[in-house]
Amino acid sequence: QTVVTQEPSLTVSPGGTVTLTCASSTGTVTSGHHPNWFQQKPGQAPSSLIYDIYIKHSWTPVHFSGSLLGGKAALTLSGVQPDDEAEYYCLLHNGAGWVFGGGTKLTVL
Amino acid sequence: EVHLVESGGGLVQPGGSLRLSCAASGFTFSRSWMSWIRQAPGKGLEWVGNISPDGSGTYYVDSLRGRFTISRDNARNSLSLDMGRLTVEDTATYYCARGGADFAESAYWGRGTAVTVSS
Repeated sequence: QTVVTQEPSLTVSPGGTVTLTCASSTGTVTSGHHPNWFQQKPGQAPSSLIYDIYIKHSWTPVHFSGSLLGGKAALTLSGVQPDDEAEYYCLLHNGAGWVFGGGTKLTVL
Repeated sequence: EVHLVESGGGLVQPGGSLRLSCAASGFTFSRSWMSWIRQAPGKGLEWVGNISPDGSGTYYVDSLRGRFTISRDNARNSLSLDMGRLTVEDTATYYCARGGADFAESAYWGRGTAVTVSS
């Protein structure tokens, strides 16, 4: 079974830029993994932010962007806001289904 | 507006079975991939599986295949998850989700239903 790895925690200052990454135990993350990114705040259901590497939903804040970076999927937040403090999960397609990463707790401090 | 409402959660004894349901509205259910995702208390998300729009294809995480079964009733706009031989490790909030555009897995989520497996 594929294991998807994310940074357990990151801290960023308001107004700063932070990049979260998502690695696969099978090797380089490619377009074939169709990376998705989700945000979850305490007590709430997750919300989809990005799909298929970089495509945003109509509700996705403009300062979120997705990419492939250094063999991993990446989620970049530019001009971080206090409201961005949350848990972030990536999701990769492994050919037989999908696998979530363990999540990154983002603190805005 | 997409609306997904899960039901059927509760307390069940180890070794027991449970059926979860998800009522869908606000979109063309019969054209949408649907998924189940779970989250144990204080833990991360786990993709359980999904089902194709016509119900002909189902996919599961390896660890649950054979114990969990996903089905759908397109006439009733309803998704189901049948869970068997439950263990305490199956204790979680179970979310139903709808796919969006191609490879937009779980674009829309319900609020979840809690399942507790305990004696």
